[in-house]
Amino acid sequence: DVKVTQSSRYLVKRTGEKVFLECVQDMDHENMFWYRQDPGLGLRLIYFSYDVKMKEKGDIPEGYSVSREKKERFSLILESASTNQTSMYLCATSRGGNEQFFGPGTRLTVL
Amino acid sequence: QKEVEQDPGPLSVPEGAIVSLNCTYSNSAFQYFMWYRQYSRKGPELLMYTYSSGNKEDGRFTAQVDKSSKYISLFIRDSQPSDSATYLCAMSAASGTYKYIFGTGTRLKVLA
Repeated sequence: DVKVTQSSRYLVKRTGEKVFLECVQDMDHENMFWYRQDPGLGLRLIYFSYDVKMKEKGDIPEGYSVSREKKERFSLILESASTNQTSMYLCATSRGGNEQFFGPGTRLTVL
Repeated sequence: QKEVEQDPGPLSVPEGAIVSLNCTYSNSAFQYFMWYRQYSRKGPELLMYTYSSGNKEDGRFTAQVDKSSKYISLFIRDSQPSDSATYLCAMSAASGTYKYIFGTGTRLKVLA
């Protein structure tokens, strides 16, 4: 079974703080994704990585950056957290087909 | 207009009922269609994956794609309280793409 883990289930940060969300997968998948999920808006892609050190912007990259130094690890960074970044953040992986495997999510609250 | 429309529900049904969940879409280039189930406070998990038009069955679940109408459905037979979750449709135009479009999800409650 593919296992995708995220560093925190719940996180509370203050406006202006730098926030790191980490995702680790154990199945050697090439592709890794960061989404945010908001009521009424569904899942929106923030960033995608198809290999180590390679990344592509998704639909809503503003205010976020990512890092992929190792194949199994994909980090999402909020350089200066704002209240409109309060959301559920979901990491996903895929081998290259259309089946994505999701982590449990991190619910981030920015005060 | 959103690329993918999905009724948010909630949809409440009695145990044992047949459930029909639906998505409509506007982009005729979509070829790959997925249904995910998401329990409360968990990440989505893939339930069904179909390519192009037609039906696919897996146990109590049947996925149906009608490309001419730009309409996809997920049927759940003999629904159980454990099926209570949010169901998300997702679709893409190409295999191996990173560009997936998700519906907003339909919340389903199966009452014992």
